[in-house]
Amino acid sequence: DAKTTQPTSMDCAEGRAANLPCNHSTISGNEYVYWYRQIHSQGPQYIIHGLKNNETNEMASLIITEDRKSSTLILPHATLRDTAVYYCIVRREYGNKLVFGAGTILRVKS
Amino acid sequence: GAGVSQSPRYKVAKRGQDVALRCDPISGHVSLFWYQQALGQGPEFLTYFQNEAQLDKSGLPSDRFFAERPEGSVSTLKIQRTQQEDSAVYLCASSPFISRQKPRGPGEKLFFGSGTQLSVL
Repeated sequence: DAKTTQPTSMDCAEGRAANLPCNHSTISGNEYVYWYRQIHSQGPQYIIHGLKNNETNEMASLIITEDRKSSTLILPHATLRDTAVYYCIVRREYGNKLVFGAGTILRVKS
Repeated sequence: GAGVSQSPRYKVAKRGQDVALRCDPISGHVSLFWYQQALGQGPEFLTYFQNEAQLDKSGLPSDRFFAERPEGSVSTLKIQRTQQEDSAVYLCASSPFISRQKPRGPGEKLFFGSGTQLSVL
């Protein structure tokens, strides 16, 4: 599975959109981009995944560039409860394990 | 419905002691994973079961680590002769089997438990 690169940390004001970038320049054609987050003292939680089209669900939006070498997770109206570590993962659909990196620490501040 | 349940939530062991960590996956979930998470790092894969079959144990760090899922539901991760470097949070995740395609995998979403925090003194 392709590797990903994410910033170590980011801050966001409460109520504003949080935009979390991820680079995955070695992604291959059958690999999906997955996002999970981990709130303190909890296990990771699935957020969203996509292949090449932009995706939106009740939690977030995922924007994937046309060349698929990078993507952005958007939390449209960040709240204090969105403070967490966000992991961008590339994985084949129905692939085996998820391979986590260090993720991005997102701090939402009031 | 109930999520993935792990017990105990916290475990303190003396160096050299054997420990057993339990995972109750979501009912009906075919796939089950174990991960190890050291402080300040992302989770690292240990092993993967599909029903009772252990299909991948490439992440187990040594032969002191052993996992089983004898009836395809509850799983136990056992660590023998614990050492200080085994101190970590051990996470379990499960996933429904929804793919009819090959290669058969665990599906898009993994559901994680809150983990067992193991401290080896």
